[in-house]
Amino acid sequence: DTGVSQDPRHKITKRGQNVTFRCDPISEHNRLYWYRQTLGQGPEFLTYFQNEAQLEKSRLLSDRFSAERPKGSFSTLEIQRTEQGDSAMYLCASSSFVGSSHDQPQHFGDGTRLSIL
Amino acid sequence: AQKVTQAQTEISVVEKEDVTLDCVYETRDTTYYLFWYKQPPSGELVFLIRRNSFDEQNEISGRYSWNFQKSTSSFNFTITASQVVDSAVYFCALITTSGTYKYIFGTGTRLKVLA
Repeated sequence: DTGVSQDPRHKITKRGQNVTFRCDPISEHNRLYWYRQTLGQGPEFLTYFQNEAQLEKSRLLSDRFSAERPKGSFSTLEIQRTEQGDSAMYLCASSSFVGSSHDQPQHFGDGTRLSIL
Repeated sequence: AQKVTQAQTEISVVEKEDVTLDCVYETRDTTYYLFWYKQPPSGELVFLIRRNSFDEQNEISGRYSWNFQKSTSSFNFTITASQVVDSAVYFCALITTSGTYKYIFGTGTRLKVLA
């Protein structure tokens, strides 16, 4: 168990640029989640995948955000035309899947900190 | 509406004191799950405990204990004989799955344990 890894750890970009983050979940986990966390707040759910299927998207996820998990392993989160308000820590988590419940603990990565200049 | 409230923004205690972190939740679902996570200064959220809505048994794990009371919609977390390494932000979270999936975190309580 090598844990959830996210890349890059920190991304600084100018407003209007596109950015892409990568998440590698724990290998045997088939659920993968993306969250956004701003200073002093708890993580906010963005979207989740079960294998390669994106099953849920939060209303927080505007049209500028897109996530993929093409082979049911790693996932990417892309933000197009970044805005100041996109500055945050983007967290990825993975979990195993038992039945239809979501009660399995999520294992989080260290996050990607996005700073928009 | 689904909601998690952690009213204590920051708590400071002296090492070896006991401390309780409060968590109050709101949901209309009868089936839900409650979690506590720890976020140390390094940033990675670490799972501590899970409870489902049908299991009101309190739990003790070493210096940690959890008190789940459906009657008051609370899921409080107590650290006994706190240590400096307990310093972190602690998040309570609620998962409900009726309708759309919702995983709702509280705003967290920052615990500072002073030597």
